[in-house]
Amino acid sequence: DADVTQTPRNRITKTGKRIMLECSQTKGHDRMYWYRQDPGLGLQLIYYSFDVKDINKGEISDGYSVSRQAQAKFSLSLESAIPNQTALYFCATSERSGSNEQFFGPGTRLTVL
Amino acid sequence: KNQVEQSPQSLIILEGKNCTLQCNYTVSPFSNLRWYKQDTGRGPVSLTIMTFSENTKSNGRYTATLDADTKQSSLHITASQLSDSASYICVVSAKTNAGKSTFGDGTTLTVKP
Repeated sequence: DADVTQTPRNRITKTGKRIMLECSQTKGHDRMYWYRQDPGLGLQLIYYSFDVKDINKGEISDGYSVSRQAQAKFSLSLESAIPNQTALYFCATSERSGSNEQFFGPGTRLTVL
Repeated sequence: KNQVEQSPQSLIILEGKNCTLQCNYTVSPFSNLRWYKQDTGRGPVSLTIMTFSENTKSNGRYTATLDADTKQSSLHITASQLSDSASYICVVSAKTNAGKSTFGDGTTLTVKP
C-alpha cells in the first residue's frame, strides 16, 4: 500500500464550486504539505503543517484553506474554485527532524471549468 | 531571498548517452540538497540527499555532486535509459526558516531510442 495517498486522483468541477482534496499518510510523519504544480513549472507551496495544531501559509495560499484533522490526515479546500486553480496538486510528508526529505503522494489533477 | 536555479530547462539525449544537470542555489544557511525525479503526472521521488560535508552521492546510475563553496550541485546520469525520461528537481533546505525547502523549476530530460 502507498505510504501517502490522495483522493480524488482526478476531479473536474465548475467555477464557484467548493472542492476538498484529501491526503492520508501511514508514514507516521509529523509534517505535511500541500503543493500546486502548473504545466512546465515547479512546485509551489500552498500550506504546510508541522503538527496537528500547527497550520502555516505557503507562497500561494490565497483562495485555499486547509485542515489538519489528525496526524495522518491533511485536507486542502478550494472554497470557490476558479479556472486558474486548474493544476496538479501534491501532498507531501516529512519527519520532524533530520533532512526534511519529503515523500510525495501520487497527485490530484484538478480541472476547473 | 532563497532561490534555486536549474539548467538546462530541457534536454534531449540518445539512449545510452550520459548527461549532467546543473543546480545553483542561494539558500543560506545551508542544511541539505536533494535531487528528485518526477515522472509525468506522478509525485516526485527522492534520488539523493547531501549535507554540507558530502560532496558526492550515488544512487545506481545517478551521481550527485555538491560544491558548498560555490553553491552548485550537479546530477550526472550514466548510460541513460528510456525510463530516465522525467523531470529532475533540485531542492535545497535551510537550517533556519523551520527547515522549509526551496524548489527549483526542474530540468525535463527526454531520452530517445
